Amino acid sequence: QSALTQPASVSGSPGQSITISCTGTSSDVGNYNLVSWFQQHPGKAPKAMIYEDSKRPSGISNRYSGSKSGNTASLTISGLQAEDEADYYCSSFAGSSYVFGGGTKVTVL
Amino acid sequence: EVQLVESGGGLVHPGGSLRLSCAASGFTFSSHWMAWVRQPPGEGLEWVANISPDGRDKYHVDSVKGRFTISRDNAKNSLFLQMNSLRAEDTAFYYCARSESHSWFYWGQGTLVSVSS
Repeated sequence: QSALTQPASVSGSPGQSITISCTGTSSDVGNYNLVSWFQQHPGKAPKAMIYEDSKRPSGISNRYSGSKSGNTASLTISGLQAEDEADYYCSSFAGSSYVFGGGTKVTVL
Repeated sequence: EVQLVESGGGLVHPGGSLRLSCAASGFTFSSHWMAWVRQPPGEGLEWVANISPDGRDKYHVDSVKGRFTISRDNAKNSLFLQMNSLRAEDTAFYYCARSESHSWFYWGQGTLVSVSS
């Protein structure tokens, strides 16, 4: 049950696109189409932005998109806005358990 | 409106016990897998445990196996986490979350558990 690997920080200017990577193994990310992405603002509970690798929950902006290749999943935020500044976490089903990434701080310059 | 409200957190000495509760409303509680996810202050998220709709299937992260037990009372729309033999590294905000599609769309506000002498 090792953590997934995410970059500690990613930044971009308003209007730009950024991508956050999430690297796991063939036992989790690479074995199931069950990667989720969560946004968390300071002092708040996490919020699901992507599930099943690339699906958006109801009400989530289409500026958020998810993809996966092999053992690495990615979250892309397009048209970056000030409200996107937050911590982002990926997670994956790992066969009777779940594993999270260490989190990525997104800064809007 | 889906609501999840945790309670039961607090300060406890190492080796002590706590029982967290999560009161659910706004949905058919007995139809959903439920989970506990924790987050040490200033750190990342960690899945702790989840439980099937009928309570028969339970899974826990290795670091809490034998110490923590997830349970539920569908008649009272409540989820629980019994935590025994607490350690300093168990200090965290504990979130109750509703599971779906192996993700968590609804979360409570969290309850803080502090383990310290």
